[in-house]
Amino acid sequence: NAGVTQTPKFQVLKTGQSMTLQCAQDMNHNSMYWYRQDPGMGLRLIYYSASEGTTDKGEVPNGYNVSRLNKREFSLRLESAAPSQTSVYFCASSEYTGELFFGEGSRLTVL
Amino acid sequence: SQKIEQNSEALNIQEGKTATLTCNYTNYSPAYLQWYRQDPGRGPVFLLLIRENEKEKRKERLKVTFDTTLKQSLFHITASQPADSATYLCALRGGATNKLIFGTGTLLAVQP
Repeated sequence: NAGVTQTPKFQVLKTGQSMTLQCAQDMNHNSMYWYRQDPGMGLRLIYYSASEGTTDKGEVPNGYNVSRLNKREFSLRLESAAPSQTSVYFCASSEYTGELFFGEGSRLTVL
Repeated sequence: SQKIEQNSEALNIQEGKTATLTCNYTNYSPAYLQWYRQDPGRGPVFLLLIRENEKEKRKERLKVTFDTTLKQSLFHITASQPADSATYLCALRGGATNKLIFGTGTLLAVQP
């Protein structure tokens, strides 16, 4: 069982570069989420998708865009990366109000 | 503004004792509250969920309480073991959305 798979696991970018973090889940969940985790700040919700075809902003959406490509996949895009976006990014999925299943994280450094 | 607070300082306890972690919240009316465990370099893993109309929930050595009047949840690990050492996160979902918002987590260290 793969669960939630995130790629890449590690990435180094230069300021201004763009990239997309990919996330896929194989549990047939309706809801998917992107969080970032920074020391002392905990997990902060960037965007979420309650169901296929819908996306909503979380606590810290600025500088990010998302696409719910289909029920399985939810991608996070940084159009012009900034050093403040250096973080660990976690994708998660769930049924509507149930427990979240997390991926192993994507560690992004922006120089 | 909405806020979820967990002890930012690490909790150090002796093996065999009961660990108690606190989660306080303000300006929320949560429909339910969840607790997660996170090990270094890994994603969080779900432990327990408690709904607003439940006072207490148990699972093996874990117990969660939820007091909507005090706006507080307590998370207990009885007969703690060094393997219980990790960061524990509480999370709330409130209202009509399924946005799940996390606290900053408390690091638990169980000494042998």
